[in-house]
Amino acid sequence: GAGVSQSPSNKVTEKGKDVELRCDPISGHTALYWYRQSLGQGLEFLIYFQGNSAPDKSGLPSDRFSAERTGGSVSTLTIQRTQQEDSAVYLCASSLWNVGLDGYTFGSGTRLTVV
Amino acid sequence: SQQGEEDPQALSIQEGENATMNCSYKTSINNLQWYRQNSGRGLVHLILIRSNEREKHSGRLRVTLDTSKKSSSLLITASRAADTASYFCATENTNAGKSTFGDGTTLTVKP
Repeated sequence: GAGVSQSPSNKVTEKGKDVELRCDPISGHTALYWYRQSLGQGLEFLIYFQGNSAPDKSGLPSDRFSAERTGGSVSTLTIQRTQQEDSAVYLCASSLWNVGLDGYTFGSGTRLTVV
Repeated sequence: SQQGEEDPQALSIQEGENATMNCSYKTSINNLQWYRQNSGRGLVHLILIRSNEREKHSGRLRVTLDTSKKSSSLLITASRAADTASYFCATENTNAGKSTFGDGTTLTVKP
């Protein structure tokens, strides 16, 4: 596609439920990144993929968080048993290889609210 | 703590003035990137400077990098109200494979 697409754009969920966030990167971008941003804060790294493998999962806050990428394309970030502190904007970005020549291209994010 | 830290946290200027934002980091880097984020939107990449470069220009943007001081600056000349946004620096550390972002500088340009 022309840009990085994330869905849903907004998600309100009850505490304890599971949620899946989807990221569709730019076609041909081998690297895909997940970050989250709390209100008024910077970006917190979660995980990144090169192709389908995840060399660095160090940012995942707990074992309730997992992510996968299939076919070197779409990625899904899953949060199980959501807690109120999981509320944030989850941002996905892709690049040609690592940061490449042109930095990351970000999606518009998924705003997750846990009530 | 964040690898990149922006300074100041907030900056308010009049249209037409120049805006300078600074970023400091702690470890060796491959490159440093600057991004802009308008309220409620995703981040937009502005400029990338490699560790062997000292200065880069793009339109009204000028970025400098001083690896000896582990710092970078972003200068926006002749600012416009539309430049109002948050600006983030990000560093790709050597062998890291990912970039680490600072907390950003919020720039307000008054018309």
